[in-house]
Amino acid sequence: NAGVTQTPKFRILKIGQSMTLQCAQDMNHNYMYWYRQDPGMGLKLIYYSVGAGITDKGEVPNGYNVSRSTTEDFPLRLELAAPSQTSVYFCASTNTGQFGYTFGSGTRLTVV
Amino acid sequence: AQKVTQAQTEISVVEKEDVTLDCVYETRDTTYYLFWYKQPPSGELVFLIRRNSFDEQNEISGRYSWNFQKSTSSFNFTITASQVVDSAVYFCALSVRDRGSTLGRLYFGRGTQLTVWP
Repeated sequence: NAGVTQTPKFRILKIGQSMTLQCAQDMNHNYMYWYRQDPGMGLKLIYYSVGAGITDKGEVPNGYNVSRSTTEDFPLRLELAAPSQTSVYFCASTNTGQFGYTFGSGTRLTVV
Repeated sequence: AQKVTQAQTEISVVEKEDVTLDCVYETRDTTYYLFWYKQPPSGELVFLIRRNSFDEQNEISGRYSWNFQKSTSSFNFTITASQVVDSAVYFCALSVRDRGSTLGRLYFGRGTQLTVWP
């Protein structure tokens, strides 16, 4: 099915561990985004990419890294997990740059 | 700066009641898009509607209707004859383009938790 696929759906990490959240889209979208959603809050932008090889920081980039080696994939890396990174993470993509966003189903991450 | 305010944190209604979710936005851009998303308990984001800044026509889709008023910077969402399945968090969002770029950014409100009781 076409769309944005995020893996894993759930993960529990210990403080200081690292992990990569995977995001893949098969719609040939240029623009991809990572958001986090904290309890009772709206989504906040972590990182974005306007195409392969090009990434930039959003509102809340600290503690994260991204890469975009292909159009399809946009993984989000947590190097040293902290409790403050407990959140739900959403990946999104669009080809228009301003509308037509497609969201993945989210990754629920708990850091203990 | 861009901002979306959903002043209602939680709303509870009884089935068949009408309910309106408020959304107020701030932007200096003249071209922008407004969205409503539904987030059911399962957690995914479900797209409901998109409006561009040049189209102030209200829209109705079944039991859902949207009222866009640029004069008050509001984009309110009404559910008529609410049902238990409407229980969810509803997000209003604003998309504007970065200056000198084709990139658009989505700015979300904090969401309104709607609970519909049988």
